[in-house]
Amino acid sequence: GENVEQHPSTLSVQEGDSAVIKCTYSDSASNYFPWYKQELGKGPQLIIDIRSNVGEKKDQRIAVTLNKTAKHFSLHITETQPEDSAVYFCAASYSGNTPLVFGKGTRLSVIA
Amino acid sequence: DAGVIQSPRHEVTEMGQEVTLRCKPISGHNSLFWYRQTMMRGLELLIYFNNNVPIDDSGMPEDRFSAKMPNASFSTLKIQPSEPRDSAVYFCASTKTGVVGYTFGSGTRLTVV
Repeated sequence: GENVEQHPSTLSVQEGDSAVIKCTYSDSASNYFPWYKQELGKGPQLIIDIRSNVGEKKDQRIAVTLNKTAKHFSLHITETQPEDSAVYFCAASYSGNTPLVFGKGTRLSVIA
Repeated sequence: DAGVIQSPRHEVTEMGQEVTLRCKPISGHNSLFWYRQTMMRGLELLIYFNNNVPIDDSGMPEDRFSAKMPNASFSTLKIQPSEPRDSAVYFCASTKTGVVGYTFGSGTRLTVV
C-alpha cells in the first residue's frame, strides 16, 4: 500500500521568512495530493491540493509543487505569519474520494 | 452548513468499559472515514464507508473495534472493551463523489484509564 514520508517533523522560522515542507510517496498510482493544517484542538483543514496532471499550484502565500517522476511534493509558505503556526500534514490517494494516507506531520512555529 | 459533527468532544472511561463515538457527516456527503490520531502513529485510517456500506475496515486494530453507518447522516465507532492503548483522538471525515478533499470533524479525545 501507499506510504507517505514527511520532513521535517518540526520547523521554526522567523516571521516573514519562507517555510518549505517536503513529502515523498511510494505508490505511483497515487494522483491526488492534499495538504492539511491542524490547529490545536481542531480537526485537520484542507488548505491546498494538487492533482498529478499539474506540476504547481498557488493560492496567495501558499504553493504546492509536485514531481511525479521522483514521487515527491512540497508545500511552500511565503511571508509567514504567526497565525501560520500549526501542524501541517501531507497526504496522497488514488483519487479525491478514496482514503488518504497521511504523512506524520510537521509542526511549524513562526516566531514574531 | 454545520460541518462534520462529532460527539462527545472528550471521553474519559475506565479500562474494560464500552465506548461509543458518534459522527454526523455533512448533508449530501456519501463517503465517511474514521481516523485515529496518536503522537507515535499519526493519522491512521480505521474504516471507511461509501453510501453507508463499509468498504475497507482493514485498519480496525482488532475485534474490539466496530463501526456502523445505519443511514447517510449517522455513524458510530464502538470500542468494547476499551484498553488504555486505545487512548487517542478519533476523527470522522466526510466527502462527496466529485468533490475533492475531506472535511474533518473536531474529533473525540478518548482517554482510557
